[in-house]
Amino acid sequence: TQTVSQSDAHVTVFEGDSVELRCNYSYGGSIYLSWYIQHHGHGLQFLLKYYSGNPVVQGVNGFEAEFSKSDSSFHLRKASVHWSDSAVYFCAVSAITNTGKLTFGDGTVLTVKP
Amino acid sequence: EAAVTQSPRNKVTVTGGNVTLSCRQTNSHNYMYWYRQDTGHGLRLIHYSYGAGNLQIGDVPDGYKATRTTQEDFFLLLELASPSQTSLYFCASSAGTGDGDEYFGPGTRLTVL
Repeated sequence: TQTVSQSDAHVTVFEGDSVELRCNYSYGGSIYLSWYIQHHGHGLQFLLKYYSGNPVVQGVNGFEAEFSKSDSSFHLRKASVHWSDSAVYFCAVSAITNTGKLTFGDGTVLTVKP
Repeated sequence: EAAVTQSPRNKVTVTGGNVTLSCRQTNSHNYMYWYRQDTGHGLRLIHYSYGAGNLQIGDVPDGYKATRTTQEDFFLLLELASPSQTSLYFCASSAGTGDGDEYFGPGTRLTVL
């Protein structure tokens, strides 16, 4: 069984600040890790994913995430946030099987103040 | 462009009522999923399917049935709705390669009075 933990329920920053959203997971096998964004009133949209290779992966709109096996983490970062980045961010894990079934964290609400 | 649509977008029913939520995807994906989203719980998988006629049980299946009639269409059925099923429901599709790419619909907000 895989689990995902997002330790911060809410993060508030100012426009132009950098931000890191934390994600830790537990699973004994090979997995994919991904991040999704949900703007208010909308469904989830895929941001980025990691399976192997370079532990830093680039996503859309300047987001990147770094995988750490030793910390069981996959934190999401952005160097300079914009007010439009205000949304809920979900970390997810899926086992390397052919079901594509995702297990999500509880989400982090990011608020970017002008 | 890949697309997942859901209907209705909003639904209100009473306890004991019969509700069907519909989902259609035009991604030519084999896998489709139904999730519910509740404050403090993130998204939880109810049922999923890897093709027409197939159904797999998710993590929170109690009180829900589902049916996959075609590759495109996946339905979630609540035959005796209860207030605990008041939630935001999302449908998603994926190629099923386990690579973390799921495409989500806009959601259906269900209220059970």
